[in-house]
Amino acid sequence: SQQGEEDPQALSIQEGENATMNCSYKTSINNLQWYRQNSGRGLVHLILIRSNEREKHSGRLRVTLDTSKKSSSLLITASRAADTASYFCATEYSGYSTLTFGKGTMLLVSP
Amino acid sequence: EADIYQTPRYLVIGTGKKITLECSQTMGHDKMYWYQQDPGMELHLIHYSYGVNSTEKGDLSSESTVSRIRTEHFPLTLESARPSHTSQYLCASSEFGQNTEAFFGQGTRLTVV
Repeated sequence: SQQGEEDPQALSIQEGENATMNCSYKTSINNLQWYRQNSGRGLVHLILIRSNEREKHSGRLRVTLDTSKKSSSLLITASRAADTASYFCATEYSGYSTLTFGKGTMLLVSP
Repeated sequence: EADIYQTPRYLVIGTGKKITLECSQTMGHDKMYWYQQDPGMELHLIHYSYGVNSTEKGDLSSESTVSRIRTEHFPLTLESARPSHTSQYLCASSEFGQNTEAFFGQGTRLTVV
């Protein structure tokens, strides 16, 4: 399988703390994307980082990409209870134009 | 809010019935996808399309079929539903080319009894 792997599978933190999720993948990519899914609903795109980029920011989100290690991390700073959701990384592999999703990290932010 | 719509939102049907899950988008996207997701699990690509009259099977073998007669419409059909088809089905679309984000519908949760 070419699917990526997120780590950890589940993360529980308090409001105000930072949350870090990691994603590893297997072969060369065009880009890596992070999505959020609230319980039982569709996915919402958060951020896209291209293979020639190393870091990207969007509001409280910071994404890094290390193509030599085939890994990415998503940092959510100053977490809020509303950030409670599942977070998925998705890779667009070189030579393909479809997205392959990882297994996701379930984040619980307690007030 | 993404302009991609799935109906029905929930569906409970009996074994052996034929069903069609509807997906429509108003963004003019060429690429459309169907993913299958069991609760708390990863998404598996079951079908995708690059445009009108283009359909391809995804990574996960599926007994469903799709059609793409109009750019905005990408329905998924199960000729004879079975309990093993119980799952959530997510439709998505994106612009043509690489490095584009996908927009997802709210999903159809299918239960076959």
